[in-house]
Order: sequence, then C-alpha cells, then structure tokens
Amino acid sequence: QQQVKQSPQSLIVQKGGISIINCAYENTAFDYFPWYQQFPGKGPALLIAIRPDVSEKKEGRFTISFNKSAKQFSLHIMDSQPGDSATYFCAASGNYGGSQGNLIFGKGTKLSVKP
Amino acid sequence: NAGVMQNPRHLVRRRGQEARLRCSPMKGHSHVYWYRQLPEEGLKFMVYLQKENIIDESGMPKERFSAEFPKEGPSILRIQQVVRGDSAAYFCASSSTGTTNTGELFFGEGSRLTVL
Repeated sequence: QQQVKQSPQSLIVQKGGISIINCAYENTAFDYFPWYQQFPGKGPALLIAIRPDVSEKKEGRFTISFNKSAKQFSLHIMDSQPGDSATYFCAASGNYGGSQGNLIFGKGTKLSVKP
Repeated sequence: NAGVMQNPRHLVRRRGQEARLRCSPMKGHSHVYWYRQLPEEGLKFMVYLQKENIIDESGMPKERFSAEFPKEGPSILRIQQVVRGDSAAYFCASSSTGTTNTGELFFGEGSRLTVL
C-alpha cells in the first residue's frame, strides 16, 4: 500500500517529441503528488505537483494528468529538449495513521532526449 | 548559498568504521528529512526530525543508524560499524512546514558513502 510504481525505467525520445512517464499508487489516503527532476550528481528538485481535486495541471512544457479512480498519474513533457535529460521521480504523500506526510518515491525514470 | 547544505559530498569508510553525515537546512526551515538512494532505486525515506525531536524514524534501520537535529548546528545522520550494503547516496531535505503534502521539500546535493 505504501508503494508508488513508476514506468518506464528508461525512456529515449527525439528532440521535439513528447515524453510520457506513468505512476500508479494504492493508498487512497495519498493526497499530494509531486514530480521531482534529478540531474547526475545533484539532489532532486521539485518540478510540478498536483492534488486530487484537479485532473490536470500544466506548467510550461510540463503537464501532470491525474486519474483518481484509476489511482494513476502521469507526467507529460511536450517539445522535449536535450536539457530535459535527467531522472524523473514521481512521489506521493498524505496524512494518515502512522504517517507524517513523508514522501514515498517511485524508482525513477531515466530520460534521454536525443538531438 | 541559501540552499540545503550537505557535507561531506563524498565519504569513504572501511567496514566497521563510523560515518557521520551532516545537513544544514535552508534558512528558516526547521523540518529535516533524510533519504537514502541506492543505484537504480528511488529515494527511500529514513527519518524526519524537527529541532531536538525525532518525529518519524520508521524508515531507519533499528541498528547502527541514528539521527539528531540539535538546537544549534546541523542535523547529523550517524552510521556505526558500516557494512558494504550501506554504500549509497544519502540525501537531506528540508521544509518550512511539518508535512510534505503542504509544502515543497528542498533537497541537498547528497553525501555519497562508499564502504570498502
């Protein structure tokens, strides 16, 4: 119930293409779903986040789609650029018994955008 | 630099030695989280601390690992009698609020521990 399952593990996209990364969760108490971006040798940095009261959130080229009934959410990167090449982590958190709202992370997707 | 500061960035220890990892949160943040990242794995929650208090240590191994966040000074993650399986990147994150679902977590650049 604590898991967040992320796919694919790796993704290669041509410059200008759309990158899509998917995540699924089981715990219905989760109510905050951020995506983090991590470059090699660096710490993760928040990219975009969504709450279950909306089905989509867009910030620039990055969009989160959220399907509450299916317990799935995805990150779409439009017009992918070589500078987007990084590892992307989905995460989830919520306040429920035994939790202090700690982020539970997926295993990550290594994105490579080819020029 | 107003970001989360971790040191050392790289640490090499032999089996049986102790490792101490330090984290200074962002200015104004009093909530600190430690995560461990293994190769090809996501970030695993270890412990959540506020000043002088451990709030949640459910992700931290019961033996050899300890964490503190004193009133003055950085948060410290301490690993005693290290084993090869402790080799990983350890990330510290801080926030201004008490729960991750009400605010952003800001991560440091990590401390990479190698156990020989």
